[in-house]
Amino acid sequence: KQEVTQIPAALSVPEGENLVLNCSFTDSAIYNLQWFRQDPGKGLTSLLLIQSSQREQTSGRLNASLDKSSGRSTLYIAASQPGDSATYLCAVISRGSTLGRLYFGRGTQLTVWP
Amino acid sequence: NAGVTQTPKFQVLKTGQSMTLQCAQDMNHEYMSWYRQDPGMGLRLIHYSVGAGITDQGEVPNGYNVSRSTTEDFPLRLLSAAPSQTSVYFCASSRNQGFGDSYEQYFGPGTRLTVT
Repeated sequence: KQEVTQIPAALSVPEGENLVLNCSFTDSAIYNLQWFRQDPGKGLTSLLLIQSSQREQTSGRLNASLDKSSGRSTLYIAASQPGDSATYLCAVISRGSTLGRLYFGRGTQLTVWP
Repeated sequence: NAGVTQTPKFQVLKTGQSMTLQCAQDMNHEYMSWYRQDPGMGLRLIHYSVGAGITDQGEVPNGYNVSRSTTEDFPLRLLSAAPSQTSVYFCASSRNQGFGDSYEQYFGPGTRLTVT
């Protein structure tokens, strides 16, 4: 069974720092990996999708990398801002599992203070 | 585009009551699914659908029914609510998730359900 782990569980940094959030998964046979942002009491907002054949994706100050062979992904946030404060979730779709099912990590709760 | 919409946003039920959580999307997505999010458990798949008239069970389907009569709508029915169904429910959609396909999934804002 696919298991997704995110480290650290919580992170508190001053504004302006560059951040790395980590995600690891136990089964490297995946279709894709997706990073989400969740604000308190809100839904999930998709940030980046990395196909299994890709190594990275970029959107603005966000860069996500994927190393399928080692079962790892990182989300890099450049020049962090207080508005980046949220919980960040990574999720994978595994080959051979329930169609379209996302396996989620527990998330990294990020606080960026001014 | 409104994206994925869910109603109601909040609901309180008594044990044994039934209700339907509504989900709609306006992106013409074939694939729709329901997840529940619980502290310490993360998000777990309840049911999913690959198109109108086609549904299947996910990881935690007991106590829930679904149907898909149109591409746009995918309601989730609680048959006889139990306190264990207290959770936050999210609906998601994407282009069809065929094996070998890989599409971005979009989530609704959630329904916060409390069963007393």
